[in-house]
Amino acid sequence: AQVVESGGGSVKPGGSLRLSCETSGFSFSDCHMTWIRQAPGKGLEWVSFMNNSGGPTYYADAVKGRFTLSSDSVKNSVYLQMSSLRVEDTAVYYCARVFPLYYDSLTGSPRVDVWGQGTTVTVS
Amino acid sequence: SYVLTQAPSVSVAPGQTARVTCGGNNIGSKSVHWYQQKPGQAPVLVVFDETDRPSGIPERFSGSKSGNTATLTISRVEVGDEADYYCQVWDTTSDHLGVFGTGTRVSVL
Repeated sequence: AQVVESGGGSVKPGGSLRLSCETSGFSFSDCHMTWIRQAPGKGLEWVSFMNNSGGPTYYADAVKGRFTLSSDSVKNSVYLQMSSLRVEDTAVYYCARVFPLYYDSLTGSPRVDVWGQGTTVTVS
Repeated sequence: SYVLTQAPSVSVAPGQTARVTCGGNNIGSKSVHWYQQKPGQAPVLVVFDETDRPSGIPERFSGSKSGNTATLTISRVEVGDEADYYCQVWDTTSDHLGVFGTGTRVSVL
């Protein structure tokens, strides 16, 4: 199982970027997908979560209304459209798999078990 | 929103035992996962559901939970274990996202 991000770069405040995450080696429908970011020298911060068991997509308050998570099941990819970017959005953005979809006694609870290498977004 | 608190740093000599704690209100009712992040690398899951290890993670990594505190224990610490460690739970009360602890830097002396 693998996820590979792309699309990071430098942008001015107020600008937009679209991050892509291509997945392989697993069934897209058997997991949730999520984006997590890490500002320079800081800890991990959840950004968005796509619930693939029929639930809604969730966003952190810090990005709500500015970021949109979408997916293409044919391409096994997810995307993070980021607009109205702010200096504080500067971070490494990780795409990751959350597996399994829900708790069961055999596989346990949903956890982030596959991470991409990250893509850097700089807003300045 | 839900908060997980970790000590900023832990120092340990090679061969000794390191314990990383994670505190949160009513954490006893939540499943706790632990991630290791080495400098310049993506995080790696090392313990899930408090005590289980993914395949490929050494038995030296173990977890436990008691009361409002979860603990990651690294036995027979090696130089290669030097990293940041984060605990994580799901917050189903507010924005339904995951919550990471503040992170603990484990330094091997």
